[in-house]
Amino acid sequence: DIQMTQSPSSLSASLGDRVTITCRASQGISNSLAWYQHKPGKAPKLLVYGVSRLESGVPSRFSGSGSGADHTLTISSLQPEDLATYYCQQYYTIPYTFGQGTKLEIK
Amino acid sequence: QVLLQESGPGLVNPSETLSLTCSISGGSIYNYYWTWIRQPPGKVLDWIGYIYYSGSTSYNPSLKSRLTISVDASKNQFSLKLSSVTAADTAFYYCARGGFNRPLDYWGQGTLVTVSS
Repeated sequence: DIQMTQSPSSLSASLGDRVTITCRASQGISNSLAWYQHKPGKAPKLLVYGVSRLESGVPSRFSGSGSGADHTLTISSLQPEDLATYYCQQYYTIPYTFGQGTKLEIK
Repeated sequence: QVLLQESGPGLVNPSETLSLTCSISGGSIYNYYWTWIRQPPGKVLDWIGYIYYSGSTSYNPSLKSRLTISVDASKNQFSLKLSSVTAADTAFYYCARGGFNRPLDYWGQGTLVTVSS
């Protein structure tokens, strides 16, 4: 199975901060990399797919980048509603696998 | 807006079969892949498998011997059956739209299934 190593596991930042979450794949995944936001008790939400394509309706402060094994989700200016856990996922090779998650807290 | 809702028993006895249904509203089941994912409390999201509206499937090899995913297009629903469950199958179970090299663009809120006698 492809291992998705996500870091950090938790992160505390202030409103307006630039936040970066990274994900490293143990094997090649082409561009089949997505990022999800999950708030407690709610349905997870697709933010970014294809490494850098922003899902419709997602605020432009979210962006994805990367190539090869290393990928990044960036929030350019942290907002209160961004409190959530974020996951990366590769959908290139079955079984599709997820990162361990990054719990984002607001200072 | 596509909405997905998981339904089924919240408690299953060990060695029995876990059965869940995902009901789709606000959109059609046709021409899409549909996926099941689970997350044991405090653990990583675990991809279970997907089904195409026509019935073709792909399963996680670690669950394949116990797993059946089926679709009822007339009801706009798809279902999960996992047999011979143990405590290790206790998890939040989510259904989602997507699969086969596509991201998951709509998810249900999830349902907790506990395996215990």
